Amino acid sequence: QKEVEQNSGPLSVPEGAIASLNCTYSDRGSQSFFWYRQYSGKSPELIMFIYSNGDKEDGRFTAQLNKASQYVSLLIRDSQPSDSATYLCAGGGFQKLVFGTGTRLLVSP
Amino acid sequence: GAVVSQHPSWVICKSGTSVKIECRSLDFQATTMFWYRQFPKQSLMLMATSNEGSKATYEQGVEKDKFLINHASLTLSTLTVTSAHPEDSSFYICSANSLKLGQGRSATFGSGTRLTVV
Repeated sequence: QKEVEQNSGPLSVPEGAIASLNCTYSDRGSQSFFWYRQYSGKSPELIMFIYSNGDKEDGRFTAQLNKASQYVSLLIRDSQPSDSATYLCAGGGFQKLVFGTGTRLLVSP
Repeated sequence: GAVVSQHPSWVICKSGTSVKIECRSLDFQATTMFWYRQFPKQSLMLMATSNEGSKATYEQGVEKDKFLINHASLTLSTLTVTSAHPEDSSFYICSANSLKLGQGRSATFGSGTRLTVV
């Protein structure tokens, strides 16, 4: 059973702080990893993807991948109240993604 | 680019009726389309994967005779929920992907359809 695990949260951080979201996966064959943001009642929107070990930065977001530890994380710098949402981690390949249950992030003003 | 349109965005139907949901890739040809279901406070659960011109591959536990998927062209896939029951009420989301979108590019999601069966 291929699984992606996330802490459901909520993770509460004050505005301007760094939010750290974590994800572990069981399938060593997974090639790529994705972070999605999902607002309540909406479909997920892609934030970042990563497929190489190390860090990948895009604006306020940094994704980190450690294939040896089967660990993926997402850092959000200078968190804003508008970042409050559920963040879904997904892993897999072209044909199929396995999603985690998501971590709810709350950014307080 | 890589826009996926899904209709309707919400639908209410009576128990026992059928509902069709459309998923279109607007500016690319989708080699593969995926259908997900999401219950409140739960993650996305893949229902089926369909490749253009071939039968859909259903995930374990998903009734293929109840959830009919048609992927007749590279830009359109439909999901029909037949003989809907209240327990089918959920948020249905499609996504589409294409090898031409490049390495690491994930599937693009439609806006979702909120189905309520009364």
